[in-house]
Order: sequence, then structure tokens, then C-alpha cells
Amino acid sequence: DTGVSQDPRHKITKRGQNVTFRCDPISEHNRLYWYRQTLGQGPEFLTYFQNEAQLEKSRLLSDRFSAERPKGSFSTLEIQRTEQGDSAMYLCASSLSTGGRHNSPLHFGNGTRLTVT
Amino acid sequence: GENVEQHPSTLSVQEGDSAVIKCTYSDSASNYFPWYKQELGKGPQLIIDIRSNVGEKKDQRIAVTLNKTAKHFSLHITETQPEDSAVYFCAASVGDMRFGAGTRLTVKP
Repeated sequence: DTGVSQDPRHKITKRGQNVTFRCDPISEHNRLYWYRQTLGQGPEFLTYFQNEAQLEKSRLLSDRFSAERPKGSFSTLEIQRTEQGDSAMYLCASSLSTGGRHNSPLHFGNGTRLTVT
Repeated sequence: GENVEQHPSTLSVQEGDSAVIKCTYSDSASNYFPWYKQELGKGPQLIIDIRSNVGEKKDQRIAVTLNKTAKHFSLHITETQPEDSAVYFCAASVGDMRFGAGTRLTVKP
């Protein structure tokens, strides 16, 4: 299977701890996106990369959040000093796009479910 | 920014019946409208999409219609099957992609 993979699938952490998630996109895709999804809601955009460049960050992405995509391949999303409000599903998606920011089909991974106690 | 509203939030149909989910969007410049299916414990999966220069698109039992004047688009599933049971999300994109809140579809055998 050459879809988008995310690791770990589940993460339980205590408030105040740092966590890091990894996403491996579909290899030929140039764009990588991070979304957050809470129960009963659709995914909310956090940030995206084109190759290794982080081109956009949502205002939802506080200073405690940082994302990287070294060498334009896999990406990591780190949350520092986690808060209970950070509990959510963190979804990664990739696409092969040459045009507008978000107008190509997104291929999502199965997400990392974060629980902050 | 774009605002997408989706309804109904839940939909229950008998196997073999049709299901229709509707979405409205606020930004008339939106030009890309995908639909995603999300099963429990999985990420959303694209099932069909439509661009603003097309009014209707069909793929087997699934069709999407777009009314740009009214700024709404709809997902139609015919001959529903139990495996169609899932949460469906619409989205609209002009720059940002905004998702609706989802429709939980249950197909009763």
C-alpha cells in the first residue's frame, strides 16, 4: 500500500508534555497538509508544505505547534506544552498540485488520535 | 473566508433507496468541490469531486451536482448499500479548503 501513513495511530500524554507526530506522504506528491479534526466536525486546516517550504499556516496553529518537512519528504508535527484542548485527531494529507493552494484531491492518512489528560 | 454548511447531520435510509446530502458555500469564487467518505477509525477518502466549470458529474452510483448561482452542491447516492454507511463531508475551496460538519449516513439492510 503506497498511501499516506501516519505514526503513531494513538497518543496519550499528560498536559504539559511535548508530542511529535510523523507523516509519510505518497512519494510522488509535492504537497503535504496537516489538518485537525474534533468529534463531530470536519477537518480544519492547520498548515501545508509545497516540497520542503511551509507556505501557509492557519491562525489555529498556535506558537506551541511547529511543523517541518525536511527534504520535502516526510513531515513532523510537534506540539509543545500540550493542553487538554489539543485533544483531537491530527490528519495528514498529500496531493500532487501545480495550481491553487487547495484545489486538488487530497489523499488523507488515517490520522493520529491525541488524548491529553 | 469560505463558510460551508452541510445538512442533514444524520440520514437514515433503507438499503436500495437513494440518499441526498446538500451543502451551501459562501464564497462565490470557490472553484473546487470535493466529497469525502470517512469510516470509523480512518481518514477521509475522496469519493467524487467537481469543479466550477461543470454542473454535474457521475461515477456509478454516486453523482454530484453544482449550482453556482445558488452556491450549493449536492451528493446523490443511488441504490444504497450497507457499506455506504459512513460520515460524508463536503468541502469547498478557493485558496483555503473548508469542510462541512459532516453527515452520518446509515443504510439499514
